Amino acid sequence: EAGVTQFPSHSVIEKGQTVTLRCDPISGHDNLYWYRRVMGKEIKFLLHFVKESKQDESGMPNNRFLAERTGGTYSTLKVQPAELEDSGVYFCASSSGFVGTYEQYFGPGTRLTVT
Amino acid sequence: GENVEQHPSTLSVQEGDSAVIKCTYSDSASNYFPWYKQELGKRPQLIIDIRSNVGEKKDQRIAVTLNKTAKHFSLHITETQPEDSAVYFCAARASGYSTLTFGKGTMLLVSP
Repeated sequence: EAGVTQFPSHSVIEKGQTVTLRCDPISGHDNLYWYRRVMGKEIKFLLHFVKESKQDESGMPNNRFLAERTGGTYSTLKVQPAELEDSGVYFCASSSGFVGTYEQYFGPGTRLTVT
Repeated sequence: GENVEQHPSTLSVQEGDSAVIKCTYSDSASNYFPWYKQELGKRPQLIIDIRSNVGEKKDQRIAVTLNKTAKHFSLHITETQPEDSAVYFCAARASGYSTLTFGKGTMLLVSP
């Protein structure tokens, strides 16, 4: 079974530019999560999709971040315009089954560097 | 909301020694506590988890203990090996919710 995949693995952009991160969850997993880890800090929750619906977006830092999951399969996270403090590793995770009851499988992350 | 504190931030041990990583949480509604291991350049992977109806869980050389009264849980690794070197994250989740709240991670270095 293929795991969670993320693209790109690394992105370097200038402040003010736009970047779009992609996540492909494990096939059949309805739950998809985005997390972010800023250097040396905790992995912080951003949002949770159940199929194509946003279940919880309480962790999204501001309206420069837009997440979509059209069709309930892969998801994209767009940052526009990017700021220096957006640098970090963005993880995607997916899980099956009922909310809160199943293991979350993580992707390898996208390292975003904003200069 | 939930807050998870993790200590130490770095831990160096000799091969064969034991390692203990401790976490505390703030939300008494949390009832699920997973531990993830992230090797350099790889994805975080679940290594062990515990639910609040259990005080201890073991899987070969790793074990997790939970003290609900004190709101803390710990990861114990015995007979450490160089391949145990990684960053370990603890997390907590409340019943009925999906959000995992993570600690800041512990970098474990096992020297041969």
